[in-house]
Amino acid sequence: VQLVESGGGVVQPGKSLRLSCAASGFSLRSYGIHWVRQAPGKGLQWVATIGYDGNKKYYADSVKGRFTVSRDNSKNTLYVQMTDLRAEDTAIYYCARDRLEWLPPGYGMDVWGQGTTVTVSS
Amino acid sequence: DIQMTQSPPTLSASVGDRVTITCRASQSISNWLAWYQQKPGKAPKFLIYKASNLETGVPSRFSGSGSGTEFNFTITSLQPDDFATYYCQQYNSFPLGFGQGTKVEIK
Repeated sequence: VQLVESGGGVVQPGKSLRLSCAASGFSLRSYGIHWVRQAPGKGLQWVATIGYDGNKKYYADSVKGRFTVSRDNSKNTLYVQMTDLRAEDTAIYYCARDRLEWLPPGYGMDVWGQGTTVTVSS
Repeated sequence: DIQMTQSPPTLSASVGDRVTITCRASQSISNWLAWYQQKPGKAPKFLIYKASNLETGVPSRFSGSGSGTEFNFTITSLQPDDFATYYCQQYNSFPLGFGQGTKVEIK
């Protein structure tokens, strides 16, 4: 059971980036998925959540209107499209699986990816 | 939004010590609280859900308690592998929120 993030990199302020979260060892289609980030030397910050069916999506105020989460269950992959990136978005981005399947998300995060680093800098 | 406040920010302890971390919510979250452990350069590890339920495979020296607005996380006999940062997280409602973390370091 594993999650693997990809797509991080260095990007200029105002630009866009898309992160991916691929699952192996289990079917992503039955789980809600969260995105959590960690700025350098800082704590964990919840970013966004998408329900197992893709209908429920939640965003932190700091990214609302700029980040969009989506999922392609046929590819067992989740995405977060990040636009209008700012220096304060610089962080390691983790995707994490919600603990319970086939339920609205919000029961704890039991499986985490290794993270992908996003650096926003000119 | 529900604010989560952890204390202390740092805790110095020795192997074998009993350590307790407190997490307070700005409003009642019933028992919708999780605890995570994070080591430097690694992803967080899920330890406890619903305030006091140990995730499968987590050693029994870890425990959690509390409900409403005040919660505790305890390690009964600190082991070398336990030196890490610990976070609480509420999942009573969105936006989800983490505490600021408690770093458990070697005394």
